[in-house]
Amino acid sequence: DQQVKQNSPSLSVQEGRISILNCDYTNSMFDYFLWYKKYPAEGPTFLISISSIKDKNEDGRFTVFLNKSAKHLSLHIVPSQPGDSAVYFCAASADNQGAQKLVFGQGTRLTINP
Amino acid sequence: DVKVTQSSRYLVKRTGEKVFLECVQDMDHENMFWYRQDPGLGLRLIYFSYDVKMKEKGDIPEGYSVSREKKERFSLILESASTNQTSMYLCASSSPGIQTQYFGPGTRLLVL
Repeated sequence: DQQVKQNSPSLSVQEGRISILNCDYTNSMFDYFLWYKKYPAEGPTFLISISSIKDKNEDGRFTVFLNKSAKHLSLHIVPSQPGDSAVYFCAASADNQGAQKLVFGQGTRLTINP
Repeated sequence: DVKVTQSSRYLVKRTGEKVFLECVQDMDHENMFWYRQDPGLGLRLIYFSYDVKMKEKGDIPEGYSVSREKKERFSLILESASTNQTSMYLCASSSPGIQTQYFGPGTRLLVL
């Protein structure tokens, strides 16, 4: 059972526009959410996170929004740049998982077109 | 700077071979994790360890085992490699109480 879902396998956005990546989860015990970015042949790198006590967190061009009632989070990238082309994974964690295990979504491949 | 290294970037093995994947972190992290990444499936947790000599099964442990004899090193063992274990293997580490995990570059394993 996929507890974290990224329903869009791919997304194509023009350079300079906004990229919006979406993620849904089913486990109401998740209380911390993260986004990772992955280039081919490299490991994922941490991008931004949000605790369930917040509904928004911003870091430069990246903003994550959390809607707990809808069990939905999104990552906004503004403005999008060619270097943002990568696979983006959302991940979720619950306190009761010990060792802070993460549950990952399937990933969304973002392509920024010049 | 945080660093997680994996012993090989690419490996080609034959069905039935015993395969060792090594991971080393230099951040003095207690927690270490092994994932595999497959297209359309994201990252799936195989095993993790929260202390030396401690290990716990993740979501897909079948066909794998692990070893953690030292804090900085976490090994993934494929006892008898099969073609369905062809995948990208990713190691990660984290501190207790901190959700952010730091990943190594990955090992792409091909089992023929």
